[in-house]
Amino acid sequence: NAGVTQTPKFQVLKTGQSMTLQCAQDMNHEYMSWYRQDPGMGLRLIHYSVGAGITDQGEVPNGYNVSRSTTEDFPLRLLSAAPSQTSVYFCASSSPRHGQETQYFGPGTRLLVL
Amino acid sequence: SQQGEEDPQALSIQEGENATMNCSYKTSINNLQWYRQNSGRGLVHLILIRSNEREKHSGRLRVTLDTSKKSSSLLITASRAADTASYFCATAEYQGGKLIFGQGTELSVKP
Repeated sequence: NAGVTQTPKFQVLKTGQSMTLQCAQDMNHEYMSWYRQDPGMGLRLIHYSVGAGITDQGEVPNGYNVSRSTTEDFPLRLLSAAPSQTSVYFCASSSPRHGQETQYFGPGTRLLVL
Repeated sequence: SQQGEEDPQALSIQEGENATMNCSYKTSINNLQWYRQNSGRGLVHLILIRSNEREKHSGRLRVTLDTSKKSSSLLITASRAADTASYFCATAEYQGGKLIFGQGTELSVKP
């Protein structure tokens, strides 16, 4: 199993551009989440999903969209990038319904918005 | 707002010493988890303790939970240089609930 994969690993955007951060997992986990990590801070939850077709907002959802059309994929869309969105983005998955409440994290995407 | 507050923010010790990190949280929880992050990498799960548990062990790790004080501690015994990393606590208010992370403790273990 590849676990949780994220692409790209690094991206530079100009203010106002849009892009999609990809996240995929091959563990058949129903829960998936997106976090951002800024220097000196922990992870802050952006959006999460408890299953295909179901998404909800986390602590810092503004400026981001998500959708969950399949169990495997959970893309994060930046609608109009801003310098404040410069961060490292992590995707994670888990399976609480099957007793697996721990989260498995991807390697992260480093985003720089100029 | 973040649920967990971790203390200390940074800790530097010598190899072989014990490292203790503390986490405080604000609301009632179902479980508390500890994660480790090596520089530039994703987080890796270390241990989960449920609200009805007081202590849990895993190898050189010992976690305690005091729900009356809304606090937890992570003890790493006989630390190694390879333990150098950031350590985060995260809480879930109910089973399967979203995790809220603390700001982390940066541990440096000098050989």
